[in-house]
Amino acid sequence: NAGVTQTPKFRILKIGQSMTLQCTQDMNHNYMYWYRQDPGMGLKLIYYSVGAGITDKGEVPNGYNVSRSTTEDFPLRLELAAPSQTSVYFCASSPDRGSGANVLTFGAGSRLTVL
Amino acid sequence: EDKVVQSPLSLVVHEGDTVTLNCSYEVTNFRSLLWYKQEKKAPTFLFMLTSSGIEKKSGRLSSILDKKELFSILNITATQTGDSAIYLCAVCSGTYKYIFGTGTRLKVLA
Repeated sequence: NAGVTQTPKFRILKIGQSMTLQCTQDMNHNYMYWYRQDPGMGLKLIYYSVGAGITDKGEVPNGYNVSRSTTEDFPLRLELAAPSQTSVYFCASSPDRGSGANVLTFGAGSRLTVL
Repeated sequence: EDKVVQSPLSLVVHEGDTVTLNCSYEVTNFRSLLWYKQEKKAPTFLFMLTSSGIEKKSGRLSSILDKKELFSILNITATQTGDSAIYLCAVCSGTYKYIFGTGTRLKVLA
């Protein structure tokens, strides 16, 4: 059982480049999330999805885009990378019902540096 | 505005000490409070609390929620160096919104 898988683990981008962070989960969770974690700032929600075909903005969506074409996959797209997007990104998922409802399972994280 | 505040921000103790980490919250539509441990990678789940006064326990870790006073504590007894980590508190508001605290960084010295 792989859980939540994120790729890549590390990436260095130049200002203005674009890239996609991949996230896939094999737990059949309907809810998926992208967070960024900056030092001393806690986890901030970028985008979330409550099911395939449904996405919505979180607290800090500017400069990012997402899609959710399947239950399993929730990629995060960075367009025109900026130094302010240097951060550690976590994908997470949770079931919407049952005993594990509301318990977030996190991926291993993707450390992104924009120079 | 919803907020979750953790204290202390950081803590240094010696092996064998007992520590208490605090999490207070002001959140509309409270659903549950969760504790996570984060070492050098992804946060890993420790406890989920939904009812006041019921202690959750796992080995040397325990946690309790007070919904009247809007706080939770995480206790770690007989600390070990492997307990060194950032401990995150999060409150689930409504169906899918989570508000995270900034975490308590715990360092346990041998």
